[in-house]
Amino acid sequence: DGGITQSPKYLFRKEGQNVTLSCEQNLNHDAMYWYRQDPGQGLRLIYYSQIVNDFQKGDIAEGYSVSREKKESFPLTVTSAQKNPTAFYLCASSTAWDISYEQYFGPGTRLTVT
Amino acid sequence: QQPVQSPQAVILREGEDAVINCSSSKALYSVHWYRQKHGEAPVFLMILLKGGEQKGHEKISASFNEKKQQSSLYLTASQLSYSGTYFCGTGYNNNDMRFGAGTRLTVKP
Repeated sequence: DGGITQSPKYLFRKEGQNVTLSCEQNLNHDAMYWYRQDPGQGLRLIYYSQIVNDFQKGDIAEGYSVSREKKESFPLTVTSAQKNPTAFYLCASSTAWDISYEQYFGPGTRLTVT
Repeated sequence: QQPVQSPQAVILREGEDAVINCSSSKALYSVHWYRQKHGEAPVFLMILLKGGEQKGHEKISASFNEKKQQSSLYLTASQLSYSGTYFCGTGYNNNDMRFGAGTRLTVKP
């Protein structure tokens, strides 16, 4: 079955530590996205990638970093510079970076930093 | 630039209808609708593109009014499974997309 996988589902870290969230897709999609979701709020874009070896900052990129070395993988690193990292993180992909294509979402990773 | 959704929350009895609105301050090129169950990933419902006005998906349909820069999602004869948070995503001419804060829908027996 085609889809997006994110791991782990729950992640706990101590303040000051970097942590990497995994996102893999086997849909052969060119575009991939990372969103952050806080309680009662919509999805805020962290980074997106239109194609392999390319990525762009979204609205809230500070304190985060990404890489896109393979088409199917788009890992997100939450660095110690992110002031409030506790949140639900969603990865998504679409056929292309184009608003006429639907986005497919992974199951999400809930990160808790104490 | 984030679209405004209304209402923020709505409670229905099974079989009742609901309308969720999504408004933008900028010209829209597409509107996406998603439903998210608590703690799960958003699930795609439908896309409306510039030039299209109405789209249906079983008992869930949506309209897109370009002049008013808004879209509405219609849920008819609601079922318990319709419960969740509904998000609209608005697409703009630079391929930029923004999501609304969501509308929490609760359907009770």
